[in-house]
Amino acid sequence: DAKTTQPTSMDCAEGRAANLPCNHSTISGNEYVYWYRQIHSQGPQYIIHGLKNNETNEMASLIITEDRKSSTLILPHATLRDTAVYYCIPSNAGGTSYGKLTFGQGTILTVHP
Amino acid sequence: GAVVSQHPSRVICKSGTSVKIECRSLDFQATTMFWYRQFPKQSLMLMATSNEGSKATYEQGVEKDKFLINHASLTLSTLTVTSAHPEDSSFYICSATRQGLNPETQYFGPGTRLLVL
Repeated sequence: DAKTTQPTSMDCAEGRAANLPCNHSTISGNEYVYWYRQIHSQGPQYIIHGLKNNETNEMASLIITEDRKSSTLILPHATLRDTAVYYCIPSNAGGTSYGKLTFGQGTILTVHP
Repeated sequence: GAVVSQHPSRVICKSGTSVKIECRSLDFQATTMFWYRQFPKQSLMLMATSNEGSKATYEQGVEKDKFLINHASLTLSTLTVTSAHPEDSSFYICSATRQGLNPETQYFGPGTRLLVL
């Protein structure tokens, strides 16, 4: 499994964009980059995933560098409810490993008024 | 879509008893279901992977006879913690992948908090 490096914590003002970086320099060619978040005492919530191209959905945007060694999750207008631990996880989804997710320590994002 | 539920949300039991946790995919058929455990201030750790109608695959260090997994249908998996002890107290979370989608994104349940006295 590819190893990831994420900042331990980040702060963001409400209404501003939150940009969460992730380094995954050992990612293999068939691994997607998944982003999940976990709000305190809840199960993880799927946010977005991508392989090579940038992706956008109703929750966030995902920017993946051309060499795929890093990515950035962007929450365009952070709210207090976006305070959570954010996990960046490379995964061979649907492969012989049954798409296992290996959770690291993630980034604690705190959104303040 | 892609809603996963767990029952119960929290349970307190006496040491030596068994506890069953249910995981259901409410609006989709799940190809595969996963069970995770999370201790306080730690990240999620995968315990086992199960597919409907077949035996679960356990991660290294997870006792299959202690953590019994039954995946009887495409929408239901159960985890039974047998002869629970205080060290089994944890937050148990399941996830499911949606059949027919590529890649197979995991959708998580809300978790079950187990306290063994």
